[in-house]
Amino acid sequence: ELKVEQNPLFLSMQEGKNYTIYCNYSTTSDRLYWYRQDPGKSLESLFVLLSNGAVKQEGRLMASLDTKARLSTLHITAAVHDLSATYFCAVDMYSGGGADGLTFGKGTHLIIQP
Amino acid sequence: EPEVTQTPSHQVTQMGQEVILRCVPISNHLYFYWYRQILGQKVEFLVSFYNNEISEKSEIFDDQFSVERPDGSNFTLKIRSTKLEDSAMYFCASSVSRPTEAFFGQGTRLTVV
Repeated sequence: ELKVEQNPLFLSMQEGKNYTIYCNYSTTSDRLYWYRQDPGKSLESLFVLLSNGAVKQEGRLMASLDTKARLSTLHITAAVHDLSATYFCAVDMYSGGGADGLTFGKGTHLIIQP
Repeated sequence: EPEVTQTPSHQVTQMGQEVILRCVPISNHLYFYWYRQILGQKVEFLVSFYNNEISEKSEIFDDQFSVERPDGSNFTLKIRSTKLEDSAMYFCASSVSRPTEAFFGQGTRLTVV
């Protein structure tokens, strides 16, 4: 059974600071997604990481994927209040001959304080 | 920009009642999914659907759940006899093929009382 673990699950940080969210998964996969969710809202796709060593950046967020370590990171640079949300990583097993559907981590609830 | 649309946005139902959650996937997509998120918890895969049949389902998707594509545009999730623990946000998603990115709808919040 695929396990996806995120840490931290809760993060309170100040504006202007940098921080990293980690996503570990238990089985081989080369396709990983990061989503943002605001309270009561849907899942907004942030990044699609498709291969080992993939790195993508959008504004103050940068995501990377190390398939050998089964680890993805979401790095926040110079955080601003608008980035406060819950961030989920999700692993896709399908291309590895695994089950259909995404397996999500528990999410990281991020609060950025002025 | 094409999007997945879900109706209703919020539904309240009494325990034991049947509910149908509706989704209109993106028009050229062929793979359809339902996910569930209990309040404050992670998103969980329920079922995938392709070529008018279920391709995969999770342990959560028991006999009280069913899915259907009744016409060329809608994709529905039916819960036959709702329980209190079915209260959750239900997300529909679709993708053009596999494996490609699935796009999520805005969700239906189901409250069972």
